[in-house]
Amino acid sequence: NAGVTQTPKFQVLKTGQSMTLQCAQDMNHEYMSWYRQDPGMGLRLIHYSVGAGITDQGEVPNGYNVSRSTTEDFPLRLLSAAPSQTSVYFCASSYSDASLDTQYFGPGTRLTVL
Amino acid sequence: AQSVTQLGSHVSVSEGALVLLRCNYSSSVPPYLFWYVQYPNQGLQLLLKYTTGATLVKGINGFEAEFKKSETSFHLTKPSAHMSDAAEYFCAYGGSQGNLIFGKGTKLSVKP
Repeated sequence: NAGVTQTPKFQVLKTGQSMTLQCAQDMNHEYMSWYRQDPGMGLRLIHYSVGAGITDQGEVPNGYNVSRSTTEDFPLRLLSAAPSQTSVYFCASSYSDASLDTQYFGPGTRLTVL
Repeated sequence: AQSVTQLGSHVSVSEGALVLLRCNYSSSVPPYLFWYVQYPNQGLQLLLKYTTGATLVKGINGFEAEFKKSETSFHLTKPSAHMSDAAEYFCAYGGSQGNLIFGKGTKLSVKP
């Protein structure tokens, strides 16, 4: 099993550009989440999904969109990038409720917005 | 509101010394508590978790944590630090909305 994979590993954007961060898992997990990690802030939840076709907002959803058309994939879209979105982004998945179950994290995407 | 507080953003110990990383939570309901570790330039991985039952939880790499309800704490310990333990450690609380609430992290340095 590859586990949770994320692409790209690094990305530099200009303000106003759009892009999609890809996340895929091959463990047949229902729950998937996107976090951002900023120095001294820990991890903050952006969006999460409890199954295909179901998504919800987390703590810091503004500026990000998600969809979940398959169990395996959970892409994160930045519609109009801003410097405040410079961060490291982690995708995670778990078999059941993320508040109860072990989450498996991808290696992260380091995004810089100029 | 539910929250997790990690005391000390940086902790430095000598190799072979005791490691103690502190975590306190605030919640009125019984929590599910986790410790995750992040090695440099990697994602997070689970060290250990407390759900119900025994309050002393053993994890990987010789780490353990004790759930103390009266103190609302879940401190992480390891009797003897190794150079390979240098990493950032995150305490997390299982939130009521089906997600994890993370502390801000403690970076552990191990001196030879």
